[in-house]
Amino acid sequence: GIQVEQSPPDLILQEGANSTLRCNFSDSVNNLQWFHQNPWGQLINLFYIPSGTKQNGRLSATTVATERYSLLYISSSQTTDSGVYFCAVDLFYNQGGKLIFGQGTELSVKP
Amino acid sequence: GAVVSQHPSWVICKSGTSVKIECRSLDFQATTMFWYRQFPKQSLMLMATSNEGSKATYEQGVEKDKFLINHASLTLSTLTVTSAHPEDSSFYICSATGVMNTEAFFGQGTRLTVV
Repeated sequence: GIQVEQSPPDLILQEGANSTLRCNFSDSVNNLQWFHQNPWGQLINLFYIPSGTKQNGRLSATTVATERYSLLYISSSQTTDSGVYFCAVDLFYNQGGKLIFGQGTELSVKP
Repeated sequence: GAVVSQHPSWVICKSGTSVKIECRSLDFQATTMFWYRQFPKQSLMLMATSNEGSKATYEQGVEKDKFLINHASLTLSTLTVTSAHPEDSSFYICSATGVMNTEAFFGQGTRLTVV
């Protein structure tokens, strides 16, 4: 089956620093989403980005579908950015919304 | 974004009892809902796909008689963990997609502890 790999697995930043999280996937996908899981477990939708680039405030994401990877950029990080970031994909031959998750990147932003 | 509400947020039950978890789409009609399970420090694993008015489709290795799923309306799906055992303790989270869009939105999750 498809492999979804995220790197790095853990990341510690000083407040104000920038970071790039990567998601590689091994097959063609219909869709890719980035999520932030907060300490209470809630998954917050960050981006719905099967291809191209999107920006939302301090966050932006780029997916290059032909090369099977996506990047999530966090600029001027804040302590509230701490948590686990997941990318998830759904496959062309699967039902839309049926997501396969990567293992996540655990981000800790220190004051 | 769309809102998905899950209830309860946490539950403690005795071994051998059953627990029902509800997943509701509050501001859109969810043609499809999904149920995931997450163990501590791990990723989310899909358990089953639930379509309104039809039987759920379970992923390989998930016991359909233990995890009963009902999707009776376009806004409600339920997961019942039957005869719960301590190894069923986990974080269960649902997601929903709408009619025209495949973007998935997630509920708050339910932390189940079986004692």
